[in-house]
Amino acid sequence: ETGVTQTPRHLVMGMTNKKSLKCEQHLGHNAMYWYKQSAKKPLELMFVYNFKEQTENNSVPSRFSPECPNSSHLFLHLHTLQPEDSALYLCASSQPLGAGAQTQYFGPGTRLLVL
Amino acid sequence: QKEVEQNSGPLSVPEGAIASLNCTYSDRGSQSFFWYRQYSGKSPELIMFIYSNGDKEDGRFTAQLNKASQYVSLLIRDSQPSDSATYLCAVSGGTSYDKVIFGPGTSLSVIP
Repeated sequence: ETGVTQTPRHLVMGMTNKKSLKCEQHLGHNAMYWYKQSAKKPLELMFVYNFKEQTENNSVPSRFSPECPNSSHLFLHLHTLQPEDSALYLCASSQPLGAGAQTQYFGPGTRLLVL
Repeated sequence: QKEVEQNSGPLSVPEGAIASLNCTYSDRGSQSFFWYRQYSGKSPELIMFIYSNGDKEDGRFTAQLNKASQYVSLLIRDSQPSDSATYLCAVSGGTSYDKVIFGPGTSLSVIP
């Protein structure tokens, strides 16, 4: 399998549920990103990992918890979400940070609906 | 001032015409500029990137960069209905260094 994959592609959860989004990249990259894209709004950067280390947390509420066990995998753990958290969650990867701006390659996204 | 600005559109052009998409950015030290295409319900996909002033052509697409004016554009020649999508401008470098800042996107509709 090539590129950036995300699972699940669609997720419906209640506000008291706990779920996790998974991202895997097969491009040999060392930087990975989570973005949120709400309807009619620009992409919002949530988290950045470089060589498994979190380098950016863009003021994201603690109900979103990222995990990066290695450079190929990235998780987003969700708990006690709110209906306004319903959005498309996109994972991206790139060459490592620190070497200039990098082209980011996106996964297909997880469409999340919080009831 | 927003860091990356684009007209939200929708921009409508007839099939076969040239579509012109514009983007301005606030960080004068920005170094790298990207254009992504996003179909409805899909994830963004890279079309082109440009680093140097001037034009860069790839098939029907031409990116134009003017760092003095802090302006980058994307021209699509011989527009096709399949080009109908939202086009995202992204900028990095400067004070944000590696961080890539996305614009809000311009919705393009190519009318058959």
